[in-house]
Amino acid sequence: AQSVSQHNHHVILSEAASLELGCNYSYGGTVNLFWYVQYPGQHLQLLLKYFSGDPLVKGIKGFEAEFIKSKFSFNLRKPSVQWSDTAEYFCAVSTTSGTYKYIFGTGTRLKVLA
Amino acid sequence: EAGVTQFPSHSVIEKGQTVTLRCDPISGHDNLYWYRRVMGKEIKFLLHFVKESKQDESGMPNNRFLAERTGGTYSTLKVQPAELEDSGVYFCASSQGLGHFSEKLFFGSGTQLSVL
Repeated sequence: AQSVSQHNHHVILSEAASLELGCNYSYGGTVNLFWYVQYPGQHLQLLLKYFSGDPLVKGIKGFEAEFIKSKFSFNLRKPSVQWSDTAEYFCAVSTTSGTYKYIFGTGTRLKVLA
Repeated sequence: EAGVTQFPSHSVIEKGQTVTLRCDPISGHDNLYWYRRVMGKEIKFLLHFVKESKQDESGMPNNRFLAERTGGTYSTLKVQPAELEDSGVYFCASSQGLGHFSEKLFFGSGTQLSVL
């Protein structure tokens, strides 16, 4: 069965620190990969996605993620976080076969200290 | 453009009662998904509609859960009778249905269900 693992459940950083959130998935076939974010009091929204091409994907608000197929990973990065990045981040995967099912990880709560 | 709307935002019920959650997707979105998140755990897939048809209901926990999507528009998720372990946040999401897996999901704000 497909699954998504996010290793960091809670992360606390100071402003300007660099961020890397880990995401690994288990599925042997072709996948599409996503990072969603939920800011306090808001809906889940798409941060970035990968479906083909350049494995380094750039998203909104300075975030990027790198797809490493050999490691089944899609880690999220940001060189310098801001207080406004405080949110919960979810990694998700969908496959190109079977039904349109998006599988999500457990989420990582990021708190950025001003 | 209106987003995905869920109602109610919170529901507190007693064990054994019935609760119905509603989701109004973005107009024109063929795909509608229900997810649930139990505190601290993953956002877990429940089921997927394409228009009015259930495409995949493999995530539905048991037959106490019934989802419908009348006319391919809004959807309801009924839990009858509710149990303590049904507590969590129920999310609805929709997407256009362009026929590929890289589509963006648009989420509602969720319904926080508490079963006492």
